[in-house]
Amino acid sequence: QEQLVESGGGLVKPGGSLRLSCEASGFTFRYYYISWIRFAPGRGLEWLSYISGDGNNAKVADSVKGRLTVSRDDAKNSLYLQMSSLRDEDTAVYYCARNDGSPTEAFDLWGQGTMVTVSS
Amino acid sequence: DIQVTQSPSSLSASVGDRVTITCRASQNIGSLLNWYQKKPGKAPKLLIYGTSTLQSWAPSRFSGSGSGTDFTFTISSVQPEDFATYYCQQGYKTPPYSFGQGTKLEI
Repeated sequence: QEQLVESGGGLVKPGGSLRLSCEASGFTFRYYYISWIRFAPGRGLEWLSYISGDGNNAKVADSVKGRLTVSRDDAKNSLYLQMSSLRDEDTAVYYCARNDGSPTEAFDLWGQGTMVTVSS
Repeated sequence: DIQVTQSPSSLSASVGDRVTITCRASQNIGSLLNWYQKKPGKAPKLLIYGTSTLQSWAPSRFSGSGSGTDFTFTISSVQPEDFATYYCQQGYKTPPYSFGQGTKLEI
């Protein structure tokens, strides 16, 4: 069964840091780009970052550039999102999602999400 | 960057109704438009990709159409399990991947 499972969310103070993890199973992880996408009520879905299957191509959205870093460890079938200088507006559910590799660039497999709350 | 504008933001319907949601892209994206269903507390699920192709799990009452800048998502006969929020997402000239603002379908 193909699956993505996020972890690492929690409560953090403004200005703090957090590292999220995403573990994949049931498919060949290194074949796929994986993205991080967040959801906040009232703000909807926001794509944040992706990394290629070989780890050599990573992009971050302009809105979070300089504060978020994505990496992956294929030996562990895992993806990571390092977040720093966190702000109130970073409060959201963070999902990892698989890019389907087709021209449509759809996200065909999602994790269950991990909640990040930024508050003093 | 390509922007996608979705309307309406909310929609009231009854079981058996036909409902339509529209998504407009800020530039021509061909047929590279995807639709997702999201229920509270759950991850989004890919419902339609490439404008009109249904995922294997999706019932045939869901459909999508359009091309270029204007796209439509339709539920031909709303069922109780369809009450959710629907998002469109463009897959042209990415990244960034932009999503519509969402349409909440409620009773």
